[in-house]
Amino acid sequence: QKEVEQNSGPLSVPEGAIASLNCTYSDRGSQSFFWYRQYSGKSPELIMSIYSNGDKEDGRFTAQLNKASQYVSLLIRDSQPSDSATYLCAVEKGAQKLVFGQGTRLTINP
Amino acid sequence: DAGVIQSPRHEVTEMGQEVTLRCKPISGHDYLFWYRQTMMRGLELLIYFNNNVPIDDSGMPEDRFSAKMPNASFSTLKIQPSEPRDSAVYFCASSLFRGGGETQYFGPGTRLLVL
Repeated sequence: QKEVEQNSGPLSVPEGAIASLNCTYSDRGSQSFFWYRQYSGKSPELIMSIYSNGDKEDGRFTAQLNKASQYVSLLIRDSQPSDSATYLCAVEKGAQKLVFGQGTRLTINP
Repeated sequence: DAGVIQSPRHEVTEMGQEVTLRCKPISGHDYLFWYRQTMMRGLELLIYFNNNVPIDDSGMPEDRFSAKMPNASFSTLKIQPSEPRDSAVYFCASSLFRGGGETQYFGPGTRLLVL
């Protein structure tokens, strides 16, 4: 079992709809969780971090964490073509070390 | 701030040659990370440093890979000898410790092709 698992996609969503990205992790002791966005040919950039169970909202983005189910998700409301990218889920495994999932490729169709 | 700086941005070399990748972290950051990204394996952590000291090199694939951080503003990742399977994008990232859960800031990456 991989430490961090994501559906690789591609996930295709019409413009204006909600995009839902999911991630599961294996280490129950993990405390910090991150979503990075990576445009094609570019480097990853942080868009959301979450540390407590529940929802965290930032503009059109909402991160959801359920530690009991070892599940993290990212919702993107009112999806825009500029949201088309690969989304990487990352879990902190102690002392600043991040383990990344394979990433989900998201395409927003105009 | 200029962000994390990496050089070269692209490198094409022949099998057996030595390759050196360079990184300048964001000024004041105390953690530096080297990652490798491929289609097959995704983004993998190779090694990371805290205050110039290597903390965890368990991700370094084999003895052909080595990394150094001689001072707070410079790090190198060396591959000697290089092999075609080393072809990947190598990212350097840095962060500032404030208690846990800090953002890692990535450089633009070095695209390495070993022929």
